Amino acid sequence: AAGVIQSPRHLIKEKRETATLKCYPIPRHDTVYWYQQGPGQDPQFLISFYEKMQSDKGSIPDRFSAQQFSDYHSELNMSSLELGDSALYFCASSTTPGRSSTDTQYFGPGTRLTVL
Amino acid sequence: DAKTTQPTSMDCAEGRAANLPCNHSTISGNEYVYWYRQIHSQGPQYIIHGLKNNETNEMASLIITEDRKSSTLILPHATLRDTAVYYCIAYTGTASKLTFGTGTRLQVTL
Repeated sequence: AAGVIQSPRHLIKEKRETATLKCYPIPRHDTVYWYQQGPGQDPQFLISFYEKMQSDKGSIPDRFSAQQFSDYHSELNMSSLELGDSALYFCASSTTPGRSSTDTQYFGPGTRLTVL
Repeated sequence: DAKTTQPTSMDCAEGRAANLPCNHSTISGNEYVYWYRQIHSQGPQYIIHGLKNNETNEMASLIITEDRKSSTLILPHATLRDTAVYYCIAYTGTASKLTFGTGTRLQVTL
């Protein structure tokens, strides 16, 4: 079965540079989520989009922005990178549940961002 | 989302059942119990979820107490590949965030 695709898988940037991470959800999934996992930490929610509109927001820095496009893929844009932004970034996707069901989030393999 | 409490770590012999407990005493009526696992820096993998009834799929079984204040994830025949951090999460399932706690680090040994 098709899974969530993230690109690139690895990214190395210098401080103060910008980075763009891409996420392609499972076909027919309309909701995308972004999570950040720092070294030795648990995943932390950043932001989510449903039908191209922001649906929920976590502790996402103002330097970060994200959007969802008409084909449902999403991009996380990160500017003025700091050393502390070095982390794994996971994207997840889900589909609108039926009335008596729930939406399960399925995660991609992640992008490992290293800021030097 | 309700807070969940899990043991920090557990060991299990290969081939034996792994029973991972989770307390969620403040869970609300519309929150599902979800289980994910993360194998060394890979993306979290969905395992199973339930609301009130016990559930079983090809990966695991989920036993939820009648008062819904706790649950147990059962891996019936653990293998070395089941070594991972297991997260129990209370989730409303409405396109909102999953709140990961510290999880249980399960070590399966020979």
